[in-house]
Amino acid sequence: ETGVTQTPRHLVMGMTNKKSLKCEQHLGHNAMYWYKQSAKKPLELMFVYNFKEQTENNSVPSRFSPECPNSSHLFLHLHTLQPEDSALYLCASSQDVGPYYSNQPQHFGDGTRLSIL
Amino acid sequence: GQQVMQIPQYQHVQEGEDFTTYCNSSTTLSNIQWYKQRPGGHPVFLIQLVKSGEVKKQKRLTFQFGEAKKNSSLHITATQTTDVGTYFCAGPFSSNTGKLIFGQGTTLQVKP
Repeated sequence: ETGVTQTPRHLVMGMTNKKSLKCEQHLGHNAMYWYKQSAKKPLELMFVYNFKEQTENNSVPSRFSPECPNSSHLFLHLHTLQPEDSALYLCASSQDVGPYYSNQPQHFGDGTRLSIL
Repeated sequence: GQQVMQIPQYQHVQEGEDFTTYCNSSTTLSNIQWYKQRPGGHPVFLIQLVKSGEVKKQKRLTFQFGEAKKNSSLHITATQTTDVGTYFCAGPFSSNTGKLIFGQGTTLQVKP
């Protein structure tokens, strides 16, 4: 039990489908993150939210649309994905971000394994 | 742009042998973090180093931060099969946005 829960654990979708990934953290953190992990590639940061406000969009294609309704929940809406988007999508949280917090440790969920047909 | 490089990419050792992974940044880091990801699992935070030349130990794991704060290492003494996994270092790109740059990781295999 990591305190960060992601659903679904596995998702198979066609390129024309629309689906959403969900992340919920029970740690009382204020910052939440989406990462993409592909085989043989470093963890790639996609988005960062702090107190529901997006602080980082790492040049992510618009077919990925994040939503952060509150500090405990984070969604990643997917539409018209490409085969190269198949990967493990990891959500993480940390206490906060900002110059006084020196990049605090991040707590990861188990991830959603996404396969695009 | 800012990069964090890790070597080696893979390491196979016999149980009981030592293991070291090295992390190098293209820029000076305010701090560095280390994570471990077991096969099929998610990254788990191990430690954060902040001070120049800092050395921290966790049982058989020794973490070092270079004097120039541009490199770091993780050394495991007498590896065990439970040490199997991928070890990542990560450095802050921006403390204002929370962006971390991860190295590509070193995958450790331990033969019993």
